[in-house]
This record gives sequence, C-alpha cells and structure tokens, in this order.
Amino acid sequence: DGGITQSPKYLFRKEGQNVTLSCEQNLNHDAMYWYRQDPGQGLRLIYYSQIVNDFQKGDIAEGYSVSREKKESFPLTVTSAQKNPTAFYLCASHGVTSVSDTQYFGPGTRLTVL
Amino acid sequence: GQNIDQPTEMTATEGAIVQINCTYQTSGFNGLFWYQQHAGEAPTFLSYNVLDGLEEKGRFSSFLSRSKGYSYLLLKELQMKDSASYLCAVIDSNYQLIWGAGTKLIIKP
Repeated sequence: DGGITQSPKYLFRKEGQNVTLSCEQNLNHDAMYWYRQDPGQGLRLIYYSQIVNDFQKGDIAEGYSVSREKKESFPLTVTSAQKNPTAFYLCASHGVTSVSDTQYFGPGTRLTVL
Repeated sequence: GQNIDQPTEMTATEGAIVQINCTYQTSGFNGLFWYQQHAGEAPTFLSYNVLDGLEEKGRFSSFLSRSKGYSYLLLKELQMKDSASYLCAVIDSNYQLIWGAGTKLIIKP
C-alpha cells in the first residue's frame, strides 16, 4: 500500500527536551513538506525538501530542524528553542500525475509539551 | 503579500446544497486545491483546478476563475459526514502551496 506514515500519533514531552517526529513515504515523491497546524487555523509551512540532501526553510522554521538523507524519509526535530511547540504536525509529499498535481498527507502527530 | 480568504464557518442542512467560496491574491498561480479535514485528522484531497471552469466529481464540484482570483467548492446532497473543515490552497509562482485558514462546515439534521 502506497502512502505516508507518521509516528507516533500522539507524543508527550517535557519542556526543554528535543523531540524528533518521523515521516516516511513510499510514493517515490521527490518533494516533502512539514506543516504545523494550531486549533482553528490553517497550515503553516515549517520546512520543505524538493530533493535528497537539500531542504529549505518555510514560514516558521525557527526552533525546528530537518534532514533529508533518503528520498523516503524526512524527519522533523522540534528543539527546545521552539517557544510554543504544542501543535498538530503534518507531513506531506507532492506528486504529479497525468491529471493532477497533489499533496498527500500523513495522518499527523499531535505533540504536547508539558 | 499573499492572501487566501475563506469564510470561517458555515451551517447547512442535511440534504441541501452549500457553496464555499475562496478568493486569493498570490504571486503567480499554478493551480488551486480543495481539501477536506475532519477534526483531529489529516487533510484529504478533494479537487485540483488549474484551468477556468467547473470540475465535477460526484456530489462535489469545484469552480475556478483565474481572472477574478476566485474559486468555490459546491457540495450537493449534504450528509452528516460532510461536517468538516474545507481548506483552499493555491500553488504560487515558486510552486509553494499557500493555505487558507479553512471553512468549518456544520451540517444540521
């Protein structure tokens, strides 16, 4: 089954700890994205990567870091420098078919910092 | 700046029709998406428009007017399961997705 997986679905951490959220895709997509969503709001872009070993900052990259060592994997680290890390984190990959141009989302990780 | 506007919330009755509007001002245009997002879940793809006109997919249709910077999502024969947020997003000239804040649709029996 092709798709995007994120784990875990729920994650709890103490303030001041770094935490890494995983994102894996087997869709053979080059482009991958990390978004943050706060209650009642739209998606805000944290980082994106259009090719292996390359990534770019989005609108709210401060306090986050990423790596893209493999095409299938794009993990996001939420560092202690992120002032308000509690949010719903969504990973997506972007693919083009003969009829459409689509972003596919993983199920998301809800991070709560205590 | 880049901007996408959608109504914050709409209410409709089961079995009826509802139109959710989206207006955009972006640096360039390379397509517009509609996504459905149920509470606590990831968005799921509904439609993609890049040319003007209406695209129909079952109970859902999406319309685009590039000259007016305007799109709408039309939902027919509303069902209770259609209660969700509907997100409009535009691909700009840098091929980045610009997201609206979403429209929360409430369906009443």
